[in-house]
Amino acid sequence: GENVEQHPSTLSVQEGDSAVIKCTYSDSASNYFPWYKQELGKGPQLIIDIRSNVGEKKDQRIAVTLNKTAKHFSLHITETQPEDSAVYFCAASDTNDYKLSFGAGTTVTVRA
Amino acid sequence: SAVISQKPSRDICQRGTSLTIQCQVDSQVTMMFWYRQQPGQSLTLIATANQGSEATYESGFVIDKFPISRPNLTFSTLTVSNMSPEDSSIYLCSVDFWGGGTDTQYFGPGTRLTVL
Repeated sequence: GENVEQHPSTLSVQEGDSAVIKCTYSDSASNYFPWYKQELGKGPQLIIDIRSNVGEKKDQRIAVTLNKTAKHFSLHITETQPEDSAVYFCAASDTNDYKLSFGAGTTVTVRA
Repeated sequence: SAVISQKPSRDICQRGTSLTIQCQVDSQVTMMFWYRQQPGQSLTLIATANQGSEATYESGFVIDKFPISRPNLTFSTLTVSNMSPEDSSIYLCSVDFWGGGTDTQYFGPGTRLTVL
């Protein structure tokens, strides 16, 4: 089955700086890579996703890059704000079955 | 996008009892999933809830412990049976939603279960 590894496990950044989280996956059949943000006491919220037919996608301060050859994808948050503090999860799936395999999560703390 | 609700939002239960969690989505969806998130951990897929047929369980999860119903395209239930303290987790429902030419997975708010 799919194995997704996520690094780092914790990340502390100064407000206004950038944050980068990296994930690798093992199954070359995976073609859908979403990122979720989970705040305390809430369910995961989809913040951005990328599919295997593109290498980069951007939505305001958030961007995701995908390298299918190397089997890794990354989340980039620019101009971080205190409200970006949360746990972020990467995931991967094959759109034949849509079953998501999740990374272990990254706790991001933005220092004011 | 899809809006998903879950009931109850949290519960405290005694060991040996069972709890049924409901998941309601505001649109018809083909695929619904149930995940477990143990304290401080990531999400693990329990099963895929198939409308009109039995659920498909992942390795390590069995129907006797986690029976699932999917009576229609907007609703599913997960029962946690004969509970023990090790079942204390957040249980999350998700759906694969088709819209705008693509499909995307959305999650409900979760049910926080504590077993004493």
